[in-house]
Amino acid sequence: EVQLVQSGAEVKKPGESLKISCKASGYNFNDINYWIGWVRQMPGKGLEWMGIVYPGDSDTRYSPSFQGQVTVSADKSISTAYLHWRSLKASDTAIYYCARGYGLATIDYCGQGTLVTVSS
Amino acid sequence: QTVVTQEPSLTVSPGGTVTLTCASSTGAVTYANYPNWFQQKPGQAPRALIYSTSNRHSWTPGRISGSLLGGKAALTLSGVQPEDEADYYCLLSYGVAHWVFGGGTKLTVL
Repeated sequence: EVQLVQSGAEVKKPGESLKISCKASGYNFNDINYWIGWVRQMPGKGLEWMGIVYPGDSDTRYSPSFQGQVTVSADKSISTAYLHWRSLKASDTAIYYCARGYGLATIDYCGQGTLVTVSS
Repeated sequence: QTVVTQEPSLTVSPGGTVTLTCASSTGAVTYANYPNWFQQKPGQAPRALIYSTSNRHSWTPGRISGSLLGGKAALTLSGVQPEDEADYYCLLSYGVAHWVFGGGTKLTVL
């Protein structure tokens, strides 16, 4: 059974750094055909695509709105993808979801979400 | 900046049929945009329903289907049930690893 299990909720102050995780199981995380995407959902708003990491070769791609704002990465040895901020802002307060993609066309499983609250 | 547009809200009666659409600011949506559709209920993570225009996941009910319609991606729900009340999002590809979500449609079953 494919599962994406995300790390728990975080409360941070503006300017702090943060890395949240998404641990995959039930499939070959290292297979070059699979990738992990990250999605933001701000309070009461819709879904926004942030970026992708290909664990097989660590290639990353970002949506223009998120380029330079976050870093996506993956650790093949523990089948885990990450989303990292160097300096959080209050506007980063949101739920973040990871999602599994396959090839060019398919997104199938989502993690349960991680709530990030940034407040002074 | 590419914009993907969905109906903000739709209402359907139980047992009825409703079609949600997804338009692209760049022109007609095609198979090469690999439309994916997601359902999200309050307090829950999104759940994938359709990939690559019209392919159902193993868990997607047969009464939910995807297509291209008049230059847009479309999601049709037939025999609508109360549990179909949710937000629905389309996701379009604009090249390798470049995806954009629509703004979502709030579907009310009334």
